[in-house]
This record gives sequence, structure tokens and C-alpha cells, in this order.
Amino acid sequence: KQEVTQIPAALSVPEGENLVLNCSFTDSAIYNLQWFRQDPGKGLTSLLLIQSSQREQTSGRLNASLDKSSGRSTLYIAASQPGDSATYLCAVKLWLGTYKYIFGTGTRLKVLA
Amino acid sequence: KAGVTQTPRYLIKTRGQQVTLSCSPISGHRSVSWYQQTPGQGLQFLFEYFSETQRNKGNFPGRFSGRQFSNSRSEMNVSTLELGDSALYLCASSLRRSWETQYFGPGTRLLVL
Repeated sequence: KQEVTQIPAALSVPEGENLVLNCSFTDSAIYNLQWFRQDPGKGLTSLLLIQSSQREQTSGRLNASLDKSSGRSTLYIAASQPGDSATYLCAVKLWLGTYKYIFGTGTRLKVLA
Repeated sequence: KAGVTQTPRYLIKTRGQQVTLSCSPISGHRSVSWYQQTPGQGLQFLFEYFSETQRNKGNFPGRFSGRQFSNSRSEMNVSTLELGDSALYLCASSLRRSWETQYFGPGTRLLVL
């Protein structure tokens, strides 16, 4: 059974720090992996999508990497800002008779001004 | 282009009642997926509709059902509400199928008393 784990569950950092969020999955036969951001009480905003054939994707201050063999993805946030405070979720898409998304439990990030 | 909209945003019901939630996808998107998010279980996939047909279903009891209309708008129904159904219900739309990038709505927060 595919499990998606995110560590740490919560993180508090001072503004300006570079930080790394981790996502681990148990089954390497994924189709792709997506990072989302969720603000309190709100829906999800897609940040980066990495296809299984790719190693990384970049968007602005965000960089996501994917290592299928080790079942890991990292989201790197450079020069963090208070506006980055949110919960970050990773989701893997895999084939289970049909395509399904499995979401991690998230990392709650707080960037202090 | 308008994003995914969900109505109502907040809802309070009592045990045993039924509820209907609505989702309007991004214009031109034909796939709508529904998710339940709770603090204990995280984000879990409910079902996906494409071209008015349910294409994919998660592990939820039959009390949870949905449908999609010809204009791609979707409704989700929960009958005989239980306390454990209290959650944030999110819908996501994608251009064709749910394995493409999904765009999430703000969610409907349901409280069952």
C-alpha cells in the first residue's frame, strides 16, 4: 500500500532562511509527484509538478527534486518570507487499476518576520 | 479565467440529515474530483467525474455519492450524516482527467452536530 510521509510535521523559521521540506513515498512506481500549498481554511494551490522521468522542477524561489529510487522528494524554498507561511502538501499519482492521488499529511510552515 | 468555485463555503448540519455540495470547475475543464480533508486522516480521494460519468472512486461508504452535469458542474451528496463527516470538502478540476494538473477550489467546510 502506498504511503506518503512528510517530515517535519511543523516548522518555524526566521525570515530569510533557506529551508527544505521532505516527502517520502513507499512505492517508487509513481506517475508524477506534485507539491501544493494550502493556506488556513482554503483550497490547495499547485506549486510544482514533477513527472516520473524528471529529476527536478523550479519556479521562482521554489525548487523540487525527485528521487524515485529512494522514494523521496524535497521542496527547497530559498530566502523564505512571512508570506510563505502555509501548509505544504505533496501528492503522488500512481496507477492502482486507475490513476489515483495519494496525499501526504503536510508540513505546517511558519516564517517569522 | 475564473477559478474553481464551491458552494456553500460553510455548512452546519445535524446527524442523520443529508447535504449537497456544489462545484463549478474552471471553464473548459471536464474532469471534477472530490476530496475530504480532516485533521486525522488528511486529504482523501472521494471520486472523480468526467463527461457526466463516475470514472474513479475512493474507499468511502455508499452514503457518499455524486454526479456531474452536462456543463461539467458537479454535486456531491452525503446522506445520513455522521459526526465523522465533519470535514473540509475540496473539489478540483482538470482539463481532461484527474492525472493532469488539478486546480482546487476553496472548499466547503461541513460541521455535523
